[in-house]
Formats: sequence, C-alpha cells, structure tokens
Amino acid sequence: GAVVSQHPSRVICKSGTSVKIECRSLDFQATTMFWYRQFPKQSLMLMATSNEGSKATYEQGVEKDKFLINHASLTLSTLTVTSAHPEDSSFYICSARVWAGAGGNTEAFFGQGTRLTVV
Amino acid sequence: AQSVTQPDIHITVSEGASLELRCNYSYGATPYLFWYVQSPGQGLQLLLKYFSGDTLVQGIKGFEAEFKRSQSSFNLRKPSVHWSDAAEYFCAVGGAAGNKLTFGGGTRVLVKP
Repeated sequence: GAVVSQHPSRVICKSGTSVKIECRSLDFQATTMFWYRQFPKQSLMLMATSNEGSKATYEQGVEKDKFLINHASLTLSTLTVTSAHPEDSSFYICSARVWAGAGGNTEAFFGQGTRLTVV
Repeated sequence: AQSVTQPDIHITVSEGASLELRCNYSYGATPYLFWYVQSPGQGLQLLLKYFSGDTLVQGIKGFEAEFKRSQSSFNLRKPSVHWSDAAEYFCAVGGAAGNKLTFGGGTRVLVKP
C-alpha cells in the first residue's frame, strides 16, 4: 500500500511555543489530507481536511487560528499547533487519500502519528 | 450525519480462539466501510475495506468482515487469534471519494496465553 510518513513521532515543547508536524505521502500524490486528534484511550476525531492549494476545512469546534494547516504541495501537509498549552497534548495523526479517478475507489492511508506533550 | 458504534470497549480472548468485533454504522448513502488496527503509540493500519460487491470481505492477517445492509453492520472476524493480534481496532465509515472518515470508539482486544 501507499506510504504516509509523519514527522516527528514524538515532540515535547514548552507552553506558549509553536510546534509543526509534517505529513508526507512518499509514493503518491495526495490532493487531500486529513488531520485527526486522538486522546488517550479514545477514538480519532477529525480536526480538518487539507486540500492542496486551498484553505483547509475545519471541523466544528476546532480553532483554525490555533491549528494552522498548510498543504502547499501534493505530497506535503503541515499542522502547526500555535501557542501550545498542556491541554493540546495529544496524539495527532494524518492521513492521505489515494485518488483512483472518477468513479474509482478511494482509500486513506495513515501516518504513524505524532505524540505531542506540552509542558 | 454519519456515525459508527462499536459496542464492545474491551474484549479478552484466548490465543487460538475465534474473535468477532461488532460495528454498526449510520450513513445516509452507500457506505464505504473500513476496519483499522492500531498498536500502542502507532498509527493505523488498514485491515480491510468494503466498497461494493461481495459482502464478505477478506483482509490481511487472516481477518474478514461481513457487510449486512439490513442490519447496518460490518462485523470483523478472525477464526483463530494470535498473541500479536492484541491491539485497538477501529471501524470507520465514509462516503464516496474524498469524504472524511468517521470512526467508532474502538475495541481493545486482549489476548490471553
């Protein structure tokens, strides 16, 4: 299957600083990438949909000014957590959709996730 | 609105025994259904998916799932579990190409020796 690489896998930052997480599709072009957040022992909650060359679409309740998403190329999307606070500590996972053409099937491949700890 | 329910939060099964994980979904159109597995601290790995056609879907690692439209279910099964199957399993539903996935709450599987 297609490979999605997420970096870093773990990051610890001080409260008030910003952290950037990268999501790359290594062997395919991803016009759409998704960012999820997962709290301990809970399911994945979609934060936003990232479309190459356009603004991201955020889910209700997600602060777009706090979670900045950039999808500047077909293989890279970034999530920047700005002015991080301890409550932003979580596991963040990206996924990229493989487009199979009009009428084709679609499948999302997931990155390895990033464990963010804000101290 | 689409939703997914996994009724079992935890399941403990003996190694070699069979496993069935339940998944019920709500979706207004033809659903695309997925099962993912997640090991601790890791991302998600796709086990199998259903888009159309045969309602019994074969996946990796010996897993299979059956789509039952009348019951809005997509239960995951494995005839004989291995200790390495201990993980968290997520059922997800999405729509046509490009639609976001909605995940169930997950089922944690523990395997006893």
